Amino acid sequence: EVQLVESGGGLVQPGGSLRLSCAASGFTLSSHWMSWVRQAPGKGLEWVANIKQDGSEKYYVDSVKGRFTISRDNAKNSLSLQMNSLRAEDMGVYFCARTTYFDLWGQGTLVTVSS
Amino acid sequence: DIQMTQSPSTLSASVGDRVTITCRASQSIGTWLAWYQQKPGKAPNLLIYKVSSLESGVPSRFSGSGSGTEFTLTISSLQPDDSATYYCQQYSRSSQGTFGQGTKLEIK
Repeated sequence: EVQLVESGGGLVQPGGSLRLSCAASGFTLSSHWMSWVRQAPGKGLEWVANIKQDGSEKYYVDSVKGRFTISRDNAKNSLSLQMNSLRAEDMGVYFCARTTYFDLWGQGTLVTVSS
Repeated sequence: DIQMTQSPSTLSASVGDRVTITCRASQSIGTWLAWYQQKPGKAPNLLIYKVSSLESGVPSRFSGSGSGTEFTLTISSLQPDDSATYYCQQYSRSSQGTFGQGTKLEIK
């Protein structure tokens, strides 16, 4: 089955760190740009970061630059998002999504930033 | 950065109505535009990519048009299952993937 499955969300204090993972199956991860998209509670979708097929290009929304790092391991069919210096405004559901127009999404993982 | 503006923010229509949602880009994005449907508690679902290409499995009552900076999503005959929030997204540059703010569609 073609799917993406996120994990790693949870409760973290402001200033803390969290690493999200996305496991891909049923397709060749190395053929696709991959992205992280988030959704704050009751709000719209926000693209967070993306990474080229071979990892040579990475881009971030301004609000997470210098704090978040996207990476991938094509051999392990996995995508990651290292999130440091977390803020209350980073709270929400984080989705991994395939290619530039997001034809495949995971179910999402919830990140809660609170003391 | 490219900004995407959707209108209206909310929309109420009856079953069988023709519904149109508009998305405007702050600069030309060519034909690099996608539309998504999201229902509460679920991941978004791709409806249309490259302005007018219908994703496999999506009902033909959904269609997209436009180019440059103005785009529309049309539902030709609204069905009860179409109650959802709809988002446009530009992907003209690999360095960003901006979404519109969303349009919540309610069935009267």
